[in-house]
Amino acid sequence: GENVEQHPSTLSVQEGDSAVIKCTYSDSASNYFPWYKQELGKRPQLIIDIRSNVGEKKDQRIAVTLNKTAKHFSLHITETQPEDSAVYFCAASDSNQAGTALIFGKGTTLSVSS
Amino acid sequence: DAGITQSPRYKITETGRQVTLMCHQTWSHSYMFWYRQDLGHGLRLIYYSAAADITDKGEVPDGYVVSRSKTENFPLTLESATRSQTSVYFCASSGLGTSGRAAYEQYFGPGTRLTVT
Repeated sequence: GENVEQHPSTLSVQEGDSAVIKCTYSDSASNYFPWYKQELGKRPQLIIDIRSNVGEKKDQRIAVTLNKTAKHFSLHITETQPEDSAVYFCAASDSNQAGTALIFGKGTTLSVSS
Repeated sequence: DAGITQSPRYKITETGRQVTLMCHQTWSHSYMFWYRQDLGHGLRLIYYSAAADITDKGEVPDGYVVSRSKTENFPLTLESATRSQTSVYFCASSGLGTSGRAAYEQYFGPGTRLTVT
């Protein structure tokens, strides 16, 4: 089955710096890669996702890149702000199989200091 | 989102007791999922359901039972709670429905924090 590895487990940056979180996956059938942000005591919130027919996707300060050949995808946050501090999870699934469950990485705790 | 809710939000129970966690969604999503979240393990799938009366095991199903008699509800029961089941439980849903989102996008409920003493 699918296995998702996420690095780093913790990341500390200064406000205004960029942050990059990387994930690798094992199942070549996976073609949907969402990223979730989870603030303390809250539910995971979908912030951006990418499908395998796209190499990069941007939404304001966040972007996700995908390298299908190497089976890795990354989350990029530019101009970080204190409110970006949270735990970020990557995940993978085969969206062609309706209702396929997400396989999550173990999470990255991002701390942005002002 | 108000479209998916969980109850109770907090629960303390004793070892050996049966406890049921409720999940309700108003989007008419076909698919529903139960995950548990533990430090160092991220989110792990317990059970999922493709439709009413169709359920299947996930990565960590032992000690849990689910049912889905109605599309909108997906309760999770711990038949005889153990301390190792102390966790935060999240329900999620996805599928074609009234949420206005892509069918493969999963949205999570607010979670239930369960403590087994």
